[in-house]
Amino acid sequence: ETGVTQTPRHLVMGMTNKKSLKCEQHLGHNAMYWYKQSAKKPLELMFVYSLEERVENNSVPSRFSPECPNSSHLFLHLHTLQPEDSALYLCASSQDVGELFFGEGSRLTVL
Amino acid sequence: AQSVAQPEDQVNVAEGNPLTVKCTYSVSGNPYLFWYVQYPNRGLQFLLKYITGDNLVKGSYGFEAEFNKSQTSFHLKKPSALVSDSALYFCAGGISGGYNKLIFGAGTRLAVHP
Repeated sequence: ETGVTQTPRHLVMGMTNKKSLKCEQHLGHNAMYWYKQSAKKPLELMFVYSLEERVENNSVPSRFSPECPNSSHLFLHLHTLQPEDSALYLCASSQDVGELFFGEGSRLTVL
Repeated sequence: AQSVAQPEDQVNVAEGNPLTVKCTYSVSGNPYLFWYVQYPNRGLQFLLKYITGDNLVKGSYGFEAEFNKSQTSFHLKKPSALVSDSALYFCAGGISGGYNKLIFGAGTRLAVHP
């Protein structure tokens, strides 16, 4: 148990659906992250929130929309995704530049 | 551009033998360097980090890593491998910015054979 909880663990959606991934951290950290992990590719940093403000958006398509309502919660809203968006989406948190604590991930399949 | 490289896709080692998983980095300034491990269908788990201080860093499960500035390397080592060490290992590097903007290597799969 890392203190970072992601739901759902598995999600299957069609290209016209709207769904959301949720992340909650119980560590009192001040930064939260979304990463995408695809087969045979390095982890891709998608978004970073520091003190609830978005500080990084690494050229992520607008069909991915993050939301950070408070320091403990992070969402990734999904809309009209493509099959190539199928991947493991990892949420993480940290206190400043301390180590990242990762959740178990949400495995997304887009049909 | 900043980057982290793990030159080996897979490392095979016999149980009880020493293991090394290689990592080199290209990060400007004073880098922060990390090693993480990932077991199947799980998130990444932190093993160890170098921020400043001693070049030899000791971490979880008997792992250690040596920061070598001249060779820009941060290789992960363990004196005696266990079958349970078999997993995917990631090296990551970054610089301070109030939060951790890490660049991850592609990962190295470690297979420890009985």
